[in-house]
Amino acid sequence: GAGVSQSPSNKVTEKGKDVELRCDPISGHTALYWYRQSLGQGLEFLIYFQGNSAPDKSGLPSDRFSAERTGGSVSTLTIQRTQQEDSAVYLCASSLDRPVINNEQFFGPGTRLTVL
Amino acid sequence: AQRVTQPEKLLSVFKGAPVELKCNYSYSGSPELFWYVQYSRQRLQLLLRHISRESIKGFTADLNKGETSFHLKKPFAQEEDSAMYYCALQGAQKLVFGQGTRLTINP
Repeated sequence: GAGVSQSPSNKVTEKGKDVELRCDPISGHTALYWYRQSLGQGLEFLIYFQGNSAPDKSGLPSDRFSAERTGGSVSTLTIQRTQQEDSAVYLCASSLDRPVINNEQFFGPGTRLTVL
Repeated sequence: AQRVTQPEKLLSVFKGAPVELKCNYSYSGSPELFWYVQYSRQRLQLLLRHISRESIKGFTADLNKGETSFHLKKPFAQEEDSAMYYCALQGAQKLVFGQGTRLTINP
């Protein structure tokens, strides 16, 4: 079956513009996660969805970042007024259920965002 | 607070040599730990989890609560082990990752 998919795979934008990144989780997975992978920073947790609600938004770095999930499936991460420090690879992952020990997270290929 | 530390950003060893990737954690509860791996041009994927006490691709990792460590080991490195390795700690609602170690196996 299909894994987690993300689009676009690459996005180049100008500073100050808004961008939307999309994630399609594995069908039937109720939990969805966004991470940011920056050079020298490792993997940084951004937000977690259980169904359509986001119990944990603690990782969103600023109010320019927001995310939503509709229909318990597709999620969109929006970055408003992008800054150069937003340049990174944004990873999405999904798991069958809430994040407990046996629920492996499956990762998408990522979206590489470059802010000029 | 949950924290995972991987002290080595880069590690280079020769094929056939032993490998140890270090991971230390900080967590007030009972830790659940994982190693994830990302091979070149592939997705991040789970390598192993401590609760399973398994050996995957020759790699093992033992949880040492006294030293708060979860080091990843392999007795004889192979070229295909070259990849980025991340140690991760399962918290209440999220995985906390270390900064990663890029492992290079030289022929």
